[in-house]
Amino acid sequence: GEDVEQSLFLSVREGDSSVINCTYTDSSSTYLYWYKQEPGAGLQLLTYIFSNMDMKQDQRLTVLLNKKDKHLSLRIADTQTGDSAIYFCATRGSASKIIFGSGTRLSIRP
Amino acid sequence: DTAVSQTPKYLVTQMGNDKSIKCEQNLGHDTMYWYKQDSKKFLKIMFSYNNKELIINETVPNRFSPKSPDKAHLNLHINSLELGDSAVYFCASSLVHSGTYNEQFFGPGTRLTVL
Repeated sequence: GEDVEQSLFLSVREGDSSVINCTYTDSSSTYLYWYKQEPGAGLQLLTYIFSNMDMKQDQRLTVLLNKKDKHLSLRIADTQTGDSAIYFCATRGSASKIIFGSGTRLSIRP
Repeated sequence: DTAVSQTPKYLVTQMGNDKSIKCEQNLGHDTMYWYKQDSKKFLKIMFSYNNKELIINETVPNRFSPKSPDKAHLNLHINSLELGDSAVYFCASSLVHSGTYNEQFFGPGTRLTVL
């Protein structure tokens, strides 16, 4: 079945870059997403990429997509304390259902 | 002006009780969803309705019954609550078009604790 996997934790120093990785199984995924969940809140869409693209940049965020390896990554440049959150990778396949990964908890060290 | 709202925010109840969670969206979206997030933060889709019609029904016990009285509302009724039902339940909505990215907007969540 469809599956999306991420590592559960990432710790980076303030000011460094964070790279969160994700792998997925559904090769028919049309859109791939990164959602952010802050404590006690619902998820919010951070960015997305269409499957015919391999890179998308939006200010401090860079999304890389390797369709051959079914690998998606999110890079956050100059990581700040406000970036502390859980980041969910998600894919949208042919059934128009979005499958979420387990989430990566990003913590920032001073 | 909340886009997707849920009530209640917290729900503490005894095993065996029946409870409902309500969700409303004022975004004009045609599709609504219920997700369950467990204590490890894993997020699983439970149901989805498009224009009041059930389109996604994952492997969820029959004790869970969604109801969509109109496009703006999707309620979740749970019968005979069990300890394992304790979780945060998120409602979400989106405007589903093929060829667009279909952002889902999430509510703030309902934390259900079954004692």
